[in-house]
Amino acid sequence: SQQGEEDPQALSIQEGENATMNCSYKTSINNLQWYRQNSGRGLVHLILIRSNEREKHSGRLRVTLDTSKKSSSLLITASRAADTASYFCATDATNFGNEKLTFGTGTRLTIIP
Amino acid sequence: KAGVTQTPRYLIKTRGQQVTLSCSPISGHRSVSWYQQTPGQGLQFLFEYFSETQRNKGNFPGRFSGRQFSNSRSEMNVSTLELGDSALYLCASSWEGLAPGELFFGEGSRLTVL
Repeated sequence: SQQGEEDPQALSIQEGENATMNCSYKTSINNLQWYRQNSGRGLVHLILIRSNEREKHSGRLRVTLDTSKKSSSLLITASRAADTASYFCATDATNFGNEKLTFGTGTRLTIIP
Repeated sequence: KAGVTQTPRYLIKTRGQQVTLSCSPISGHRSVSWYQQTPGQGLQFLFEYFSETQRNKGNFPGRFSGRQFSNSRSEMNVSTLELGDSALYLCASSWEGLAPGELFFGEGSRLTVL
C-alpha cells in the first residue's frame, strides 16, 4: 500500500514558471525524501528532509515539511524542459528499526518549452 | 564510482516460466532493496537485504524471492510468472544501517509476461 499520496497527479506548466507538488502521508516518519524519475528509467534522489526540519533548499528545489499535517511540498523554481519527469515522495515510518522507504503515487510534471 | 547495475534491462517471458533478475550495488553499499513499478500500483516494496540477510519484506506472494551474496550483489526470482507480473523491477542500494537514507537506483529490468 502507498504511504504517500502526491497531488496533483499531473501538472503542466510553461518553461520558466514555478512548479509545486504536494505529498501527504499517513504515519509518523523519521524523514521524507523526494525522487525524480525520467520516463521508464531509475529514480534519482533529489533531497531528504528530516522530521525535525521544516524547510530545506537545494539549488532550484525547496522542500517543506509539516509533520502536524503529515504533508510535504516540493517547489521547483524557474522550471526547465529537463525538469519534465515524474516526482515521488518517499517516507520511512517510525517502526523502531528496520524501516523501509515507501513511495507515493507520484506527480507527472510536464514543462512546455 | 560505478552506479547500480541491473541485468537484464529487458526480457520477455511467458506465463508459468520463472525469471531471475540481478543487481550489483554501488561498491561499499551493503543494503539492497527491490521495488516493483506498474502503472496501476505504482512503486511497491518487494524486499530489502542487508549483509546477506532479508531485513524487510513487502506484501508479495511467495513466488517472489530474493537473496544477497557476500559481495552484496543481489538477485530476485519470480517463479510461475503471471501476466500481472509484467512490470519495471527496480533495485536500489544504500550504505545506511537501520534507518534508510538516500537510495541509489539502477535503471531497472523491464519484464513483459505474455
